[in-house]
Amino acid sequence: GAVVSQHPSWVICKSGTSVKIECRSLDFQATTMFWYRQFPKQSLMLMATSNEGSKATYEQGVEKDKFLINHASLTLSTLTVTSAHPEDSSFYICSARSPGTGFAEQYFGPGTRLTVT
Amino acid sequence: QQQVKQSPQSLIVQKGGISIINCAYENTAFDYFPWYQQFPGKGPALLIAIRPDVSEKKEGRFTISFNKSAKQFSLHIMDSQPGDSATYFCAASKTGTASKLTFGTGTRLQVTL
Repeated sequence: GAVVSQHPSWVICKSGTSVKIECRSLDFQATTMFWYRQFPKQSLMLMATSNEGSKATYEQGVEKDKFLINHASLTLSTLTVTSAHPEDSSFYICSARSPGTGFAEQYFGPGTRLTVT
Repeated sequence: QQQVKQSPQSLIVQKGGISIINCAYENTAFDYFPWYQQFPGKGPALLIAIRPDVSEKKEGRFTISFNKSAKQFSLHIMDSQPGDSATYFCAASKTGTASKLTFGTGTRLQVTL
């Protein structure tokens, strides 16, 4: 149980274009999902918290207009990187919070490698 | 007060040995302490987690030791295997609908033959 998928697993796009990443909880309903960014050999950096049916909450320093998050259902959240630039190249990982154990457990997707050329 | 400090940054252990990774936290409101294992190019996988009401939790070769008074917790990997070579992250959070994980900086573990 507690499986989270991401699509695509990797994507290459040209500078100035937008790319959408999907995050799905496959076997549980997730009212809250999280989006992280990870640079090589570094820890995970929380970008935003995505709540079903409401606006995402962004961490300080994260551009809301560049990283659009939509949590359309209890099993799907999407991250759209708009007008991507090479500095947006990174490993993006989503997680979904399980409603069990006091809403503490988070299960992570396999990540999406974004390369902007 | 939201930091979680993790050490060592990297660790080399011989096959069959014990790997020990330590974390310290500052926020006394934290009440959930998970460990994640991450292989290169993959997302983190929840390994084991503990709450402050117990001092130790064991799952197979993995044990978490928790010291509430010292605000420290550690991961012990017994009989370490080459397949355990990965990056390990400790984390901490408060339970509840507003909870967010605060991650440590990670430990790169290499288990040699």
